[in-house]
Parts: sequence; C-alpha cells; structure tokens
Amino acid sequence: KAGVTQTPRYLIKTRGQQVTLSCSPISGHRSVSWYQQTPGQGLQFLFEYFSETQRNKGNFPGRFSGRQFSNSRSEMNVSTLELGDSALYLCASSLSPGGLYEQYFGPGTRLTVT
Amino acid sequence: GDSVTQMEGPVTLSEEAFLTINCTYTATGYPSLFWYVQYPGEGLQLLLKATKADDKGSNKGFEATYRKETTSFHLEKGSVQVSDSAVYFCALHGSGNTGKLIFGQGTTLQVKP
Repeated sequence: KAGVTQTPRYLIKTRGQQVTLSCSPISGHRSVSWYQQTPGQGLQFLFEYFSETQRNKGNFPGRFSGRQFSNSRSEMNVSTLELGDSALYLCASSLSPGGLYEQYFGPGTRLTVT
Repeated sequence: GDSVTQMEGPVTLSEEAFLTINCTYTATGYPSLFWYVQYPGEGLQLLLKATKADDKGSNKGFEATYRKETTSFHLEKGSVQVSDSAVYFCALHGSGNTGKLIFGQGTTLQVKP
C-alpha cells in the first residue's frame, strides 16, 4: 500500500507570494492533518480535515488555510508569505479523525521563503 | 494546556550502548502516548505507542512504559546501532475529539561505531 505522498518536496518562494502544498493520503484514509516543523517552534498542529470539512485548527494566522477534496486529498495554502513561514510542512493521514487511529506521516514539503 | 517535555539533546552513544530518552507530559484525562522517529530528509515514522496506564509499547528493540504516576513515557533500547541515529519525538494525543498530536521538541541521537 502506498504511503502518504506530498508534492512538491521542495519549494522556494519570495516574501509576499502565496504557495499551495498538496497531500495524498493512504488509500482508504479519510482524515488528513497538517503540521509545521521549524527548528525554533518544533512540530505544531495546523489543521485537521475529514469529509471535506475542517474539524480543528491550530493557532496560526488566517494566512494559513486548507481544504480537502472528495477523494480525501488535501491542500494547504499560505498567502502573503513571510520569512518565518520557512519550514517543513508535514501531512498525516488516518482512517478517521479524533485520534482513534494512528496517524501516518508523509515525507514533507520543505518551503524556503526568501 | 497539554504539553510534552523531552530531554535535551544531542545524545551521543557508542554502538551497543544502552539508550534512555526521557519524556514527561502534562495532560488532563487519559492521553495516548507515542514515540515517533525522523530520519534525515524524511517524515515521521511511528515507533511505538501506549494508550493506557502501565501499557508497554515496543518495536524494533525500543520500549516505553506509560507511567501515569510519574506522567512519563521514557524511551529505552538495550543496544543501539548506528542505524538508530535519528531524531526522536515523544507525543501525546489528549482527550477530546481531535486528531491533534502534541509533540516534544525532539531529541537527536547519534550513534558512533
């Protein structure tokens, strides 16, 4: 069974631009969560989606948004990029939301903002 | 709020040495506890988990026991290998209907031949 895939793996953007990251969950998994990983703040929860609905959101500004499609694939968008948005963005999928099942992580998208 | 605290790294050991990485948590209710491992350039892999007090999670020679009385979930391995070099994260899933995981800051392990 294929794992969680994330595209692109690497991105370089300029301040003020916007970016869209994509995540394809494991087949059959319907819940997708996103995390931001930085050296300073560590791993922080961004949001969780299930059945095309955002169920939970972390403490991030409104520039960070996401969505989930009917096939469970998810995208996250960051608008008006800032230098501090440089991070590894990790997507995790699970059979269902709420923490009842294990979360499986993708390899991440490394975003660099210059 | 819920939180996880891990011992500071990096931890440097010789091959076949005994490993302990300390993890303590603060949470209301009865959280589930996890250890994840991250190899260079990769995402997180679930190493082991425990869902209730006194449970012992184990995988690939690693073990951790859920100790509610000391709110701890220390990771141990009897004999580390060079291939165990990675960053290890302790995490909890708290009570409530959310998939949010709360992670510790990570501990880098370097094993030398």
